[in-house]
Amino acid sequence: DTAVSQTPKYLVTQMGNDKSIKCEQNLGHDTMYWYKQDSKKFLKIMFSYNNKELIINETVPNRFSPKSPDKAHLNLHINSLELGDSAVYFCASSQEGGSGNTIYFGEGSWLTVV
Amino acid sequence: DAKTTQPTSMDCAEGRAANLPCNHSTISGNEYVYWYRQIHSQGPQYIIHGLKNNETNEMASLIITEDRKSSTLILPHATLRDTAVYYCIVRLYYSSASKIIFGSGTRLSIRP
Repeated sequence: DTAVSQTPKYLVTQMGNDKSIKCEQNLGHDTMYWYKQDSKKFLKIMFSYNNKELIINETVPNRFSPKSPDKAHLNLHINSLELGDSAVYFCASSQEGGSGNTIYFGEGSWLTVV
Repeated sequence: DAKTTQPTSMDCAEGRAANLPCNHSTISGNEYVYWYRQIHSQGPQYIIHGLKNNETNEMASLIITEDRKSSTLILPHATLRDTAVYYCIVRLYYSSASKIIFGSGTRLSIRP
């Protein structure tokens, strides 16, 4: 069973559209994250939620809105998509303290905005 | 900015030990050293972490200098499947609010 799963894996959409990427973890972790990896391959944290509460928000445009309905899910909604939003988005989770704060990543969602 | 510096790329012969260095001269006393790797088109994968003692698991060994300003990840018998980008990261152990900041990592190529 996949520990951190995200859907869709690939998404091609037009500028101006609104899209969502869903993430679920079955590890029982209390913290979830969204990371963005751009064309230059730098991995940058976007958001972090702990028990459904936002704890890290890294100067991400307001068009990006994470939503955590419960601690096993952290979805990413993006409004008015722009060309620069094209990237790979990784969801991740960890358990504070328990396993050394090891972060487990999903396989990524490849977003292409045309 | 990342708190670590790593060589941009390295290569190693298959079957030999791959030694990946990392400098973290500004590490604080309660920060751990973590290593992750990212195989092409996959999500980053945890390898190992440590505070000040050397650590070993089924994947690798981590050697941290006494002053904790640098460390070395050792893959004892590199295989072609170890070709990946390796990230050295420092992070607080007990705080989910402690950000993981990825640098540019080391691109390790294993040659047959």
